[in-house]
Amino acid sequence: DGGITQSPKYLFRKEGQNVTLSCEQNLNHDAMYWYRQDPGQGLRLIYYSQIVNDFQKGDIAEGYSVSREKKESFPLTVTSAQKNPTAFYLCASRDRGHSPLHFGNGTRLTVT
Amino acid sequence: RKEVEQDPGPFNVPEGATVAFNCTYSNSASQSFFWYRQDCRKEPKLLMSVYSSGNEDGRFTAQLNRASQYISLLIRDSKLSDSATYLCVVNRGISGNNDMRFGAGTRLTVKP
Repeated sequence: DGGITQSPKYLFRKEGQNVTLSCEQNLNHDAMYWYRQDPGQGLRLIYYSQIVNDFQKGDIAEGYSVSREKKESFPLTVTSAQKNPTAFYLCASRDRGHSPLHFGNGTRLTVT
Repeated sequence: RKEVEQDPGPFNVPEGATVAFNCTYSNSASQSFFWYRQDCRKEPKLLMSVYSSGNEDGRFTAQLNRASQYISLLIRDSKLSDSATYLCVVNRGISGNNDMRFGAGTRLTVKP
């Protein structure tokens, strides 16, 4: 079945460590996105990529980095520079034109 | 002003009630509009796309008003299972820009 896979579902890290969240899609979508959601809040855009080897900052890119070396993969690294990294991270992809977003199941990151 | 704004809610309604949500957007160039549903601690799931002429899917009706820059979602004959947070999503629509932005969400609770 086609879809988006995020791993792991839960991730625990110590403060000061970088951590990379995985996102893979087999939908053949060009665009991929990373969002962050805090409790009781909406989704905020971290980074997005429209094509391989290209990505754009969203509203809250500070403390995060991404790469898009393959169409299927868009990993997100949460660096030690991110001051409040504990959150629910959602990866999404979409086709061209006026297509909707398709989401993975999300990764809950807890940093202590 | 936020790019995408929603009624914050919460909306608490009895079963069988009709409830309407609004979402305003600030970018007049926006081209794509969607409503998503998000259950607690889950990823958002597409409820429906919003077309210029308005569209209906069973008990759900979506409308777009470009002149006033808002979209709406109407739920008729509310069910207990409709309890969730409803998110509107808007493509910024700038040429070559594939940016998708979310409202903060409106929480709906349907009670027996």
